[in-house]
Formats: sequence, C-alpha cells, structure tokens
Amino acid sequence: EIVMTQSPATLSVSPGERATLSCRASQSVSSNLAWYQQKPGQAPRLLIHGASTRATTIPARFSGSGSGTEFTLTISGLQSEDFAVYYCQQYNIWPTFGQGTRVEIK
Amino acid sequence: QVQLQESGPGLVKPSQTLSLTCTVSGGSFSSGDYYWNWIRQRPGKGLEWIGFISYTGSTYYNPSLKSRIIISVDTSKNQFSLKLSSVTAADTAVYYCARDPPPNTFNFDYWGQGTLVTVSS
Repeated sequence: EIVMTQSPATLSVSPGERATLSCRASQSVSSNLAWYQQKPGQAPRLLIHGASTRATTIPARFSGSGSGTEFTLTISGLQSEDFAVYYCQQYNIWPTFGQGTRVEIK
Repeated sequence: QVQLQESGPGLVKPSQTLSLTCTVSGGSFSSGDYYWNWIRQRPGKGLEWIGFISYTGSTYYNPSLKSRIIISVDTSKNQFSLKLSSVTAADTAVYYCARDPPPNTFNFDYWGQGTLVTVSS
C-alpha cells in the first residue's frame, strides 16, 4: 500500500494570503495524484488531477505541482469559501488518500 | 447534471452484512465509460477507497477489504450496490458512492452526499 502523508495537519491563514499544502508519497506515484476539498457535512470535491490539471469549474487560484513522491497544492488569495479540509490521493495502483490538511482562518 | 444517491440501513449489527445501494441519475450510467466506486470515511478519519464496478460488471477491490466485499450492478435500475460482510465497529463510517470518468484513473468527479452507517448491537 502506498502511504500518503500530508503536512501540516492544520494551516492557519488570513483571507487573501497564500496557502501551501504538502503531500508526500511513500513511493513514486509519477503524476498520478489528485487533490480534493471537503467542507463539513459535504462530500469531497475534486480540485486537481494529474498532479497539476484543474478539474472542471475549479478557479485558477488553485494550482498543483510535483511528481514522484513530493506534491504541493497552492491556494493563492484565499477566499472565505476555501477554508476546508484538503486531501491528496494517489492512483498509481489502487487509490489511497492522505489524512488531510485543515485550512483555518487565522 | 449527474447525481448519485446512497441508500440503505443506517444501523447494522456486528457480524452482519452491510448493504448499500447507489442510484445514478443524469444520463451517464448507461454510457459504459465510467467506473462506479464506493469510498468510506470513518469518524474523524481520512478517506478509504473500497472498490469499483464497471457498467459491464468488472470489479476491483481494495486488497485490505477484498475478502469481505461484493460490489454488483443493476443496469436496468441505474444502480450499483455494496455488500460488506462480517462488520465490526471499525466499519462505522460515512459511505460515499462516486464516479470515475474516462480514462478511469481513479479521479472521482461526482459524489453522492454520503450515508452514515453505524455498526452497533
């Protein structure tokens, strides 16, 4: 099983600032990496796939980068609706998810 | 607009079988291009992929759950179902169904709202 480790567990950011979230895989997953956003009481929403491709309707302030074992999700100019939990997910073999990073208002 | 809706009992006794159904509306189910998945989220925990089924009935399961899972499809009703046997309290979770579009690389673009299943006597 490929283990995904996200850091930090919680990120405190002021509205309008940039948030940088990290995700590390226990072995290379190439670019087979997705990011999801989850708000309380809701299902996750796909943000990024292929490590850097935004899903349909996702705003340009969300960007993904990385390959192999190290990945980053950057949210530029945080808006109120962006405060949520973010999960990375690899799909190199069968999918596994990280434990999540909570982005909270500073 | 694609919609997925989970249904099934919210309470299951230990050692019994958990059974859930996902009904898909919005036209994509019969196209045959999608994989239909079950994913769960235990309380306060992250997400765990359970398995998928294709329109033609091909399946692929999480190896850690494989011995207890059966996923089936009913194309006449635009539904797919999950059966998880020999449940314990550790199977208490919100269960989601989700769609994986072509090229079927486990990118889940549409999800149901989720249904909480509690395992308790």
